[in-house]
Amino acid sequence: RKEVEQDPGPFNVPEGATVAFNCTYSNSASQSFFWYRQDCRKEPKLLMSVYSSGNEDGRFTAQLNRASQYISLLIRDSKLSDSATYLCVVPQAGTALIFGKGTTLSVSS
Amino acid sequence: DAGITQSPRHKVTETGTPVTLRCHQTENHRYMYWYRQDPGHGLRLIHYSYGVKDTDKGEVSDGYSVSRSKTEDFLLTLESATSSQTSVYFCAISDGDRTEAFFGQGTRLTVV
Repeated sequence: RKEVEQDPGPFNVPEGATVAFNCTYSNSASQSFFWYRQDCRKEPKLLMSVYSSGNEDGRFTAQLNRASQYISLLIRDSKLSDSATYLCVVPQAGTALIFGKGTTLSVSS
Repeated sequence: DAGITQSPRHKVTETGTPVTLRCHQTENHRYMYWYRQDPGHGLRLIHYSYGVKDTDKGEVSDGYSVSRSKTEDFLLTLESATSSQTSVYFCAISDGDRTEAFFGQGTRLTVV
């Protein structure tokens, strides 16, 4: 099992839709998790941090399921500007940040 | 935005030549990372540093070396550039091994 796995998509949704992405991880000892957003040809930028069961910021909700070893990102009321690639990151203690390959979201009008 | 600067931002070089990319931070963060990003592969770790003169290899370290002689600078060297090293290179910093990282704007390298 790869350390961090994401469904690459693409997810094509209309404006206003709710969409969710999952990210599975292999290290059961992981304590913190991050979602990043990356626009085309730009650097990744931190979207949300998850340290316990979940986190919510406006239209974005991240949830952690430790038993099944996955984190999810829910986007409500999708906007055109949400179109991007969403990267899941699982830090590994004593080593380095491991990125998933990303999930591509395309929101259309 | 975190103070991270990558240089150069774009470079075209010939096969077989050495190339050095620089990452400079003003945040005094302990950890620094070099990633490459290619279509279909996502972000792959090349090398990282957990302190001055302390570095370790990532998953795609062959053909690359790094140096960190001071906290603020992390250099990535392609000893003899090959076409397979054409990529976008990102530097990142974090203040702990389980904390969020902040990225530089990237260096687009083309090896011809």
